[in-house]
Amino acid sequence: DIVMTQSPDSLAVSLGERATINCKSSQSVFYNSNNKNYLAWYQQKPGQPPKLLIYWASTRESGVPDRFSGSGSGTDFTLTISSLQAEDVAVYYCQQYYSTPFTFGPGTKLDIK
Amino acid sequence: DVKLVESGGGLVQPGGSLRLSCAASGFTFSSYSMNWVRQAPGKGLEWVSYISGSSSTVYYADSVKGRFTISRDDGKHSLFLQINSLRDEDTAVYYCARAYCDDCYSYFQHWGQGTLVTVSS
Repeated sequence: DIVMTQSPDSLAVSLGERATINCKSSQSVFYNSNNKNYLAWYQQKPGQPPKLLIYWASTRESGVPDRFSGSGSGTDFTLTISSLQAEDVAVYYCQQYYSTPFTFGPGTKLDIK
Repeated sequence: DVKLVESGGGLVQPGGSLRLSCAASGFTFSSYSMNWVRQAPGKGLEWVSYISGSSSTVYYADSVKGRFTISRDDGKHSLFLQINSLRDEDTAVYYCARAYCDDCYSYFQHWGQGTLVTVSS
């Protein structure tokens, strides 16, 4: 199974500042045949289901604000929120869909400082 | 708009059974793979099971293999999860989630609101 880890477990960032969340997979999730990283990011607010933010490691889902961006390849990935807004308070999860079982990171809780 | 509505959760004793349902609308149901993902209270997300559009391919997490059965009725635009031999650790909100494609390894593009399964005596 591919184990996903995230850092930090939690962070607090001031409004308007940058937030960075890291995700690491225990093996590469890059598929050579199509040149894609099978890595997604989700946002979950309290009492709500997860919401897809980023897929293929760096493609923003339709309707997601452009302050959210994803980067990385192979085993190391980053979710960046360029200018934190109050509505971004949530838990963020990375997930690999390279192989079954599909696995999630443990989550990173993001708060306002 | 894509809509997924889960139902069938509830309180059940250890060893009991439940059948969860997910009613889909707003898209051609048969053309997409579907998944169940669960979240224990206060915990992270755990993928449970996958089924392709033709039902030809199914996958399960090791934690539920042999106890859970995923199925779908494309004519009724519905996804199901039969859960047997329930254990305390199966207590969770169960979400159905749609893939972006059929018969493919995919991110979870759309999610339902979830249904709560509580296993307790």
